[in-house]
Amino acid sequence: DIQLTQSPSFLSASVGDRVTITCRASQGISNYLAWYQQKPGKAPKLLIYAASTLQSGVPSRFSASGSGTEFTLTISILQPEDFGGYYCQQLNSYPLTFGGGTKVEIK
Amino acid sequence: EVQLLESGGGLVQPGGSLRLSCAASGFTFNNNAMSWVRQAPGKGLEWVSSISNSGDTTPYADSVRGRFTISRDNSKNTLHLQMNSLRVEDTAVYYCVKCGGFCQYKHFDVWGRGILVTVSS
Repeated sequence: DIQLTQSPSFLSASVGDRVTITCRASQGISNYLAWYQQKPGKAPKLLIYAASTLQSGVPSRFSASGSGTEFTLTISILQPEDFGGYYCQQLNSYPLTFGGGTKVEIK
Repeated sequence: EVQLLESGGGLVQPGGSLRLSCAASGFTFNNNAMSWVRQAPGKGLEWVSSISNSGDTTPYADSVRGRFTISRDNSKNTLHLQMNSLRVEDTAVYYCVKCGGFCQYKHFDVWGRGILVTVSS
């Protein structure tokens, strides 16, 4: 099974900050990686797919990059509504594993 | 508008069974693979199972293989998850998810609101 390690697991940042979350895969997954945002008590929402493609309707302050085993999600200018959980997911092979998640808190 | 509406959750004793259903609307159901993802209270996301658009391919997580069965009825735009021999550790919110085409190599582009399954004596 492919393991995904997200870091950090928690971060606290101020509005306007640039935030970066990392996801490392235990083996190469090409660009078969997606990122999701989850607000408390809500279902996850797709942000990014194919490692760097922004889902329709997602603000352009979100961006992502990477290939193989190293991936990053960046929020260029953190907004108050960006608090919540962020998860990466590999879609290269079954089981389609998720990273452990990153909780983003607004200072 | 694409919508996924789960039903069938609730409280069940260990060893019991439940059948979750997901009513899909707003897209051509038989063109898309579907999945179930769960989230235990206060924990992260766990993929449970997927099913191809025709229903002939059904991978499972090791934690549920042999106990859970995923199926679909394309004539009724409905996805199911039959859960048998339930364990306390199956307690979670279960999400019905639409895949962007296939599930493998694509992404999970629409999620239902989720339904709570509680396994407890």
